[in-house]
Amino acid sequence: SAVISQKPSRDICQRGTSLTIQCQVDSQVTMMFWYRQQPGQSLTLIATANQGSEATYESGFVIDKFPISRPNLTFSTLTVSNMSPEDSSIYLCSVDTTPTSYNEQFFGPGTRLTVL
Amino acid sequence: LAKTTQPISMDSYEGQEVNITCSHNNIATNDYITWYQQFPSQGPRFIIQGYKTKVTNEVASLFIPADRKSSTLSLPRVSLSDTAVYYCLVGDISFNKFYFGSGTKLNVKP
Repeated sequence: SAVISQKPSRDICQRGTSLTIQCQVDSQVTMMFWYRQQPGQSLTLIATANQGSEATYESGFVIDKFPISRPNLTFSTLTVSNMSPEDSSIYLCSVDTTPTSYNEQFFGPGTRLTVL
Repeated sequence: LAKTTQPISMDSYEGQEVNITCSHNNIATNDYITWYQQFPSQGPRFIIQGYKTKVTNEVASLFIPADRKSSTLSLPRVSLSDTAVYYCLVGDISFNKFYFGSGTKLNVKP
């Protein structure tokens, strides 16, 4: 298992600004992911945070808007850049600790972002 | 990528068995079926995963027919605390990526 913390837990930001969300894991993990969940909706995968290389983004998400850092095996950041009200959402990081046939991801508590 | 279809919502009463069915007609040979549970203001939590036939753990059972085009999550004797959204996911676990469908909101009543 893994214990994941995220900072901040919530924030209210002005449009045009940027916010960096931190994700800390209590153990070294290979795979880290960032998701977005809009109010009342399902989760959408933003990108895979790769340690030592650039993140791998899903269709519809770009590095300029959502730059990601992964400096080591326990930490990652997601920046939401040049924010607009449409970016209001919950952002979650997750990790995969199991190299076995059971592919179980552990999720952080999420960061609730409101853009005014 | 296999698309999943689940009922949007379900109601149940405490003590009943709840079965949530997920349709995934385009499932690929290497795809596994995984179910997650999400409570409000929390990240999703792994429930169970399977490839075929039946899988059981301490919280749920997963039934997968031979053609694997659907799967059923069974929750025995639900309680109020089982009120949550349940997501069915299908994908090749070797890629480690999860694509969440719309989910089923289960409401357990006293």
